[in-house]
Amino acid sequence: SQQGEEDPQALSIQEGENATMNCSYKTSINNLQWYRQNSGRGLVHLILIRSNEREKHSGRLRVTLDTSKKSSSLLITASRAADTASYFCATNAGGTSYGKLTFGQGTILTVHP
Amino acid sequence: DTGVSQNPRHKITKRGQNVTFRCDPISEHNRLYWYRQTLGQGPEFLTYFQNEAQLEKSRLLSDRFSAERPKGSFSTLEIQRTEQGDSAMYLCASSLVTDREAFFGQGTRLTVV
Repeated sequence: SQQGEEDPQALSIQEGENATMNCSYKTSINNLQWYRQNSGRGLVHLILIRSNEREKHSGRLRVTLDTSKKSSSLLITASRAADTASYFCATNAGGTSYGKLTFGQGTILTVHP
Repeated sequence: DTGVSQNPRHKITKRGQNVTFRCDPISEHNRLYWYRQTLGQGPEFLTYFQNEAQLEKSRLLSDRFSAERPKGSFSTLEIQRTEQGDSAMYLCASSLVTDREAFFGQGTRLTVV
């Protein structure tokens, strides 16, 4: 079953604008990861944030994590047409399920040139 | 290409037939995962191996599904007596035990007609 929900389900913006996607989850986690998937293809790992971290940056990506609200957000700054893809958050519970990921339903991002 | 390789990329089969998919992980990765993704949804965990041992299986993995990883290298996922509901993208991923990041293959798209 899906761990959580992502919001919005779809997002359409112009090149150069920022895109923000939100993810909520239900159970306690060891870490939360964001992946990108281009149409009908495999997933590409973007960034990982541990449960004891609140914010992380990687290039144009900024991820925040609020474990008290069981939520995370992914911000893509200065978006490009090549950022058009589906974005998924995935949680890892740790312990005996170390490595197993539980994905959300994803946000479809369309960046118009 | 030293990424995760999945074969075949596409498979069309008639209902009731058996199918087998293969995944070749990144060579030094000792963990291997199988996920299933249906249209518009995030990937759902099926099973994972550490070396040749199958450590966890999802309840999604009915008795028609079996996965193996002989010698801790490549893995196969077999579906017996396929049903239309098995139509999905089957994704394989691999990682090191010490890493939380999983690397995904391009997937095998199964269509049961």
